[in-house]
Amino acid sequence: GAVVSQHPSRVICKSGTSVKIECRSLDFQATTMFWYRQFPKQSLMLMATSNEGSKATYEQGVEKDKFLINHASLTLSTLTVTSAHPEDSSFYICSANPRRGLSYEQFFGPGTRLTVL
Amino acid sequence: DQQVKQNSPSLSVQEGRISILNCDYTNSMFDYFLWYKKYPAEGPTFLISISSIKDKNEDGRFTVFLNKSAKHLSLHIVPSQPGDSAVYFCAGGTTGNQFYFGTGTSLTVIP
Repeated sequence: GAVVSQHPSRVICKSGTSVKIECRSLDFQATTMFWYRQFPKQSLMLMATSNEGSKATYEQGVEKDKFLINHASLTLSTLTVTSAHPEDSSFYICSANPRRGLSYEQFFGPGTRLTVL
Repeated sequence: DQQVKQNSPSLSVQEGRISILNCDYTNSMFDYFLWYKKYPAEGPTFLISISSIKDKNEDGRFTVFLNKSAKHLSLHIVPSQPGDSAVYFCAGGTTGNQFYFGTGTSLTVIP
């Protein structure tokens, strides 16, 4: 099956610093990747849709300047949390939609646990 | 506005019995539905899907039922096993677009 990786799996940073999270589709091309955030005991919340070669589409309420998304290639999307604050601590998950046939499935990465001190 | 709802945050079932997880959606344009399973501190893993042209899809112990008129789907796990204990998310979406997730149901299978 299709594999999506995320790096790092866990990161701890100081308040005010920026953190970059990578999402890679390892064995397929994904023109569309999605970034989710999960708060404790809550649903996955879609943050933004990342399209290769174009600007990301952000969901309402998500700060574009705070969560920078870059989708530079068909296999890589990055999420940069700028000037991180403790309230940004969360579990960030990406998913990728493989462009093959009529597959509707999204393949998820294992997630990145961000802790901001 | 929550387009996909899972109204039961938790469910406990005895091992060997049937687990039924429910999901409701509001967007009649959704044409594909997915169920994901998630363990703590891990990303969700795909479990089973169903297209809106079907009303049932079965894969081993997992069966998903879709009632389009009621905008309702359910996941049946038979027989339930302790390893099935996890949070289950349902998601709905339209062709080529993102999926919207429910809030999840935490299933506990009691040995």
